[in-house]
Amino acid sequence: NAGVMQNPRHLVRRRGQEARLRCSPMKGHSHVYWYRQLPEEGLKFMVYLQKENIIDESGMPKERFSAEFPKEGPSILRIQQVVRGDSAAYFCASSPWGQGRNTEAFFGQGTRLTVV
Amino acid sequence: GEDVEQSLFLSVREGDSSVINCTYTDSSSTYLYWYKQEPGAGLQLLTYIFSNMDMKQDQRLTVLLNKKDKHLSLRIADTQTGDSAIYFCAERDQAGTALIFGKGTTLSVSS
Repeated sequence: NAGVMQNPRHLVRRRGQEARLRCSPMKGHSHVYWYRQLPEEGLKFMVYLQKENIIDESGMPKERFSAEFPKEGPSILRIQQVVRGDSAAYFCASSPWGQGRNTEAFFGQGTRLTVV
Repeated sequence: GEDVEQSLFLSVREGDSSVINCTYTDSSSTYLYWYKQEPGAGLQLLTYIFSNMDMKQDQRLTVLLNKKDKHLSLRIADTQTGDSAIYFCAERDQAGTALIFGKGTTLSVSS
């Protein structure tokens, strides 16, 4: 059973370009969470999705950021018109259950985005 | 708002015990967690404790919870060089949706 798979591991984008980060949850997991880790910081929650639904996007910046988790395929975190401040490690986690239950969320290895 | 605070660095010698401390603000937190992050890697759940417990032991790891002071600690016995990593304390947010992480404590183990 493969773990949470994120790709690419490293992504370099010029200012103004788009960044697409992919996350394939563990098999059997239908709940996906995206977190951002700025340098020297802890992880900050961005968005929580179930298949085809955004459940909680309270941590997402209002502009340029979007996320989806389609019925088929990986979850995608999309950042439009990237700026230097978007440089960070973006982690995806998945779990078999979601809100209100204590269940271990398994983390991927992250995508390290560098905006030049 | 919800917040989790940790000391940033800890340096110990191999074989010693390490104690990493954390304070949190949300008294309604039901579960508190310790995660380990090795360089260039994702987060690995080490252990967690339910809020009605004072202590939990798992092999070399001991978690102590002082709910009155909102203080959580992780003790690693017989610390090894392979324990060198960043350790994050986390609590669940009030909605139970997400984890709120501290900034992490970098543990450096010297031989």
